[in-house]
Amino acid sequence: DARVTQTPRHKVTEMGQEVTMRCQPILGHNTVFWYRQTMMQGLELLAYFRNRAPLDDSGMPKDRFSAEMPDATLATLKIQPSEPRDSAVYFCASGPGLAEVTDTQYFGPGTRLTVL
Amino acid sequence: GQNIDQPTEMTATEGAIVQINCTYQTSGFNGLFWYQQHAGEAPTFLSYNVLDGLEEKGRFSSFLSRSKGYSYLLLKELQMKDSASYLCAVLDSNYQLIWGAGTKLIIKP
Repeated sequence: DARVTQTPRHKVTEMGQEVTMRCQPILGHNTVFWYRQTMMQGLELLAYFRNRAPLDDSGMPKDRFSAEMPDATLATLKIQPSEPRDSAVYFCASGPGLAEVTDTQYFGPGTRLTVL
Repeated sequence: GQNIDQPTEMTATEGAIVQINCTYQTSGFNGLFWYQQHAGEAPTFLSYNVLDGLEEKGRFSSFLSRSKGYSYLLLKELQMKDSASYLCAVLDSNYQLIWGAGTKLIIKP
């Protein structure tokens, strides 16, 4: 059955290192979202793409985070340099984008990032 | 500012009924979602309301009152597997999904 996939599922890295997280949206979906979830902040929207074009990345720290969709089957979220406060679970979600008002989001399993 | 309020935690007994409330203040309204998230897992879609009233889906029902900025999720015949966080999210006038912090539901035998 169709589902959003994310890699890696877990990542432990040291402060200052580059981290790249990948997401494969459900085939045919044209909206992609990146979220960060922590116990303190809950779900935070980092970036939002429609038809591979970035529509909203206002939730993302621009100096260190970047999000791209090199093609319709791959979305990436990069952190460079990483900091301990970036430790969180990063979720990718995709939606069919058929109608704005009913665009249910389907979440991937998440990448649990720990920055030491 | 935009705000979504939910209780942080609730406890209920297996077999009982529980109602999780959500109040919202957003710039515009284009629908309200409820998602379920088990510990260590991704959120999964439960329901969507855009018109006032009650939507029933098996053991789960969701209610919306747009004039009051209020919704609730009703869970009947509670099972242990219903222990999870329940997230309320509102689609605002810019079609951005504004998320609540979630309600952790603990089910006791």
